[in-house]
Amino acid sequence: SQELEQSPQSLIVQEGKNLTINCTSSKTLYGLYWYKQKYGEGLIFLMMLQKGGEEKSHEKITAKLDEKKQQSSLHITASQPSHAGIYLCGADGGGSEKLVFGKGTKLTVNP
Amino acid sequence: KAGVTQTPRYLIKTRGQQVTLSCSPISGHRSVSWYQQTPGQGLQFLFEYFSETQRNKGNFPGRFSGRQFSNSRSEMNVSTLELGDSALYLCASSLSAATNGYTFGSGTRLTVV
Repeated sequence: SQELEQSPQSLIVQEGKNLTINCTSSKTLYGLYWYKQKYGEGLIFLMMLQKGGEEKSHEKITAKLDEKKQQSSLHITASQPSHAGIYLCGADGGGSEKLVFGKGTKLTVNP
Repeated sequence: KAGVTQTPRYLIKTRGQQVTLSCSPISGHRSVSWYQQTPGQGLQFLFEYFSETQRNKGNFPGRFSGRQFSNSRSEMNVSTLELGDSALYLCASSLSAATNGYTFGSGTRLTVV
């Protein structure tokens, strides 16, 4: 079965700093999703990547899917306290309507 | 448009009891999937329904069951609750995962005492 490994597990940065979160898959990624979660709440959809080499941006967040389609990165530019939360990557199980998730990266942004 | 609605938001049950959680998907979405989130195991897939049929099931015991109604609303049931069933239960709906992704509800926090 597919497994996703996220790194780092947690990250503490000063406001204004850039940061990167990685998601590595044990198998080829057919669809990679990034979500953000505030503690104890639901997941907020950030971006979906499907093609190798694809890159998407939304405000100060950029996500890429590498060309071999086994790794994705999420980059935040000039971080703000509002970026704090848990970032989760999820991958399509391959032909089924379910997602496999990484364990998440907890981001803290200090003002 | 309204998002995915899960009820109730919080629930406290005693070991051995059973519980039913509800999920109303976004209007027009016919796929509903359920996930369990715990600090130790993270997010784990429970099952997925499409047009009232279960299409996929995760690796959970038979105490966990679900169903979907003709209006796409879904319920999940956990019988003979155990302490380890304490978790945040999330449901997600999708129109087409390939183009729209999955929209999650705010979850139901279940505490078993």
